[in-house]
Amino acid sequence: DAKTTQPPSMDCAEGRAANLPCNHSTISGNEYVYWYRQIHSQGPQYIIHGLKNNETNEMASLIITEDRKSSTLILPHATLRDTAVYYCIVRSPGDSNYQLIWGAGTKLIIKP
Amino acid sequence: NAGVTQTPKFQVLKTGQSMTLQCAQDMNHEYMSWYRQDPGMGLRLIHYSVGAGITDQGEVPNGYNVSRSTTEDFPLRLLSAAPSQTSVYFCASSYWPLESGANVLTFGAGSRLTVL
Repeated sequence: DAKTTQPPSMDCAEGRAANLPCNHSTISGNEYVYWYRQIHSQGPQYIIHGLKNNETNEMASLIITEDRKSSTLILPHATLRDTAVYYCIVRSPGDSNYQLIWGAGTKLIIKP
Repeated sequence: NAGVTQTPKFQVLKTGQSMTLQCAQDMNHEYMSWYRQDPGMGLRLIHYSVGAGITDQGEVPNGYNVSRSTTEDFPLRLLSAAPSQTSVYFCASSYWPLESGANVLTFGAGSRLTVL
């Protein structure tokens, strides 16, 4: 699986859009981009995933560049409850053991 | 739906003691897995299972045993605890197989283990 690079930390003002970048320059054609988040000491929570096209759900939007080497997770109106560590992961559906490679993620702090 | 339930939430062991971390899910997920998370780090896969009677090793399996006798339960056993096993343990499950990218992991709340 391709590795990802994320900034270790980011701040965002409450009510603003939080844009979290992720680089995955070695991603292969069949690898999806997944985003999870982990609120302090809780189990990680799935947010969104995508392959090529931009995706949106009730939690967030995912923007993937045309060359697929990077992506951005967008939380459109960040709240204090969005303070968490955000993990960007790439994985192929054909991977036999479903071993997601988790980096250290981005610690997002939403400030009032 | 309870989702993924882990017990206990907290446990303190002495070096050499054994214990079992319990994990149960009620979503009829075929795939279940155990991760450990050390401070400031991401998750690392210990063991996983794709169905009853089928288990396999992940990235860091040493010191841990698993079995899968039912679809719902996937216990993690520490046979002789060591201080290096002090960590937070997460159980996760998903549908299997993964023909598409749509199957995602559902995690439990975690079990915090301290080995003295």
